[in-house]
Amino acid sequence: ILNVEQSPQSLHVQEGDSTNFTCSFPSSNFYALHWYRWETAKSPEALFVMTLNGDEKKKGRISATLNTKEGYSYLYIKGSQPEDSATYLCAPSGGSNYKLTFGKGTLLTVNP
Amino acid sequence: NAGVTQTPKFQVLKTGQSMTLQCAQDMNHEYMSWYRQDPGMGLRLIHYSVGAGITDQGEVPNGYNVSRSTTEDFPLRLLSAAPSQTSVYFCASSETTGVNYGYTFGSGTRLTVV
Repeated sequence: ILNVEQSPQSLHVQEGDSTNFTCSFPSSNFYALHWYRWETAKSPEALFVMTLNGDEKKKGRISATLNTKEGYSYLYIKGSQPEDSATYLCAPSGGSNYKLTFGKGTLLTVNP
Repeated sequence: NAGVTQTPKFQVLKTGQSMTLQCAQDMNHEYMSWYRQDPGMGLRLIHYSVGAGITDQGEVPNGYNVSRSTTEDFPLRLLSAAPSQTSVYFCASSETTGVNYGYTFGSGTRLTVV
């Protein structure tokens, strides 16, 4: 079981603001890092899977970076929109892609 | 293409009853897993399977049983329900070849044990 920390726990921003969250995890025995977006009353939806130190992934206004040596990943949202309101989960795995350990998530609320 | 289908969506059980939560996927994914979601906690892995006939325990397996007789189906059995098993249960699947595949989640089953 990996110790996964996500910060902040919650975040309120105004429409148009850019924001970022942090996911910290043990740097030893790292295999992959997943990010998910979870809207209320829906199920988690995969955003990114990253494996290599220095990886950067982008999907529209959302991007993520990975530092496996120090054990952290950042998720960035540029120009937040109300539809970005959701809980963002990170989940590292150690040793294989089979056993993800999910963080508690960062709840983002974007006010119009 | 339905993705991952979970049934039922809601269930109320009495303590001591048994039941099976169903999970089916039509994407020919080798990997399937069950997670539970409790307030204030991250999704926790109950059991997982890397292919038909192969299952293994996750973080919180006690009180649950699984089997994987086909690639498509991965049912979760509660042997004797306890109030501590009140939770929202999610089934997820993924390809196992390569590492660049996220999980596809079902819509969840909300279980209450009274």
